[in-house]
Amino acid sequence: AQRVTQPEKLLSVFKGAPVELKCNYSYSGSPELFWYVQYSRQRLQLLLRHISRESIKGFTADLNKGETSFHLKKPFAQEEDSAMYYCALSGAGSYQLTFGKGTKLSVIP
Amino acid sequence: GAVVSQHPSWVICKSGTSVKIECRSLDFQATTMFWYRQFPKQSLMLMATSNEGSKATYEQGVEKDKFLINHASLTLSTLTVTSAHPEDSSFYICSAVGTAMMNTEAFFGQGTRLTVV
Repeated sequence: AQRVTQPEKLLSVFKGAPVELKCNYSYSGSPELFWYVQYSRQRLQLLLRHISRESIKGFTADLNKGETSFHLKKPFAQEEDSAMYYCALSGAGSYQLTFGKGTKLSVIP
Repeated sequence: GAVVSQHPSWVICKSGTSVKIECRSLDFQATTMFWYRQFPKQSLMLMATSNEGSKATYEQGVEKDKFLINHASLTLSTLTVTSAHPEDSSFYICSAVGTAMMNTEAFFGQGTRLTVV
């Protein structure tokens, strides 16, 4: 069965500090990994996906197949990064997403 | 980016009644729409996959007779919660995938909060 684990419910960091939101997954096959973000009172939106290898809003995430992880990182947190972050996976070519429970990031000014 | 709209954003209904939630892709055609359910402080759980013109595929444990899904056009899918009960109170979210889009991704609606009293 596929599963996404986000061990931290809440992560608080000071502005300018580095951020790492952890995500581990289990999936038999080649998954596609995503990070979604939900800002206050807004809808869920895609932040980045592993196949794009992009840096969005300063965030990056590297898929580590050996550790089955897809941690989200940003070197310097900004107040506007405060939001709920969900890690998700799907099978290759599928858009059925399995979500983690989410991590609430709070950036302290 | 592509826009997915859900209606209503929130609804309160009496126990035993049925509630219909609409999910529309406003500026693209979506062959596939997904319905998720989110309990407070919990993750989104996939309920069903809806393909235009065919029957929805339900996830294990989701009652198809209770959660009726219709995807009659490429821009509209509906979820009807039949004979609602208080335990059906939840946040329901849909997502849609376009038929022909570069870097295809699933776009999410804003969600519908259902409260059954």
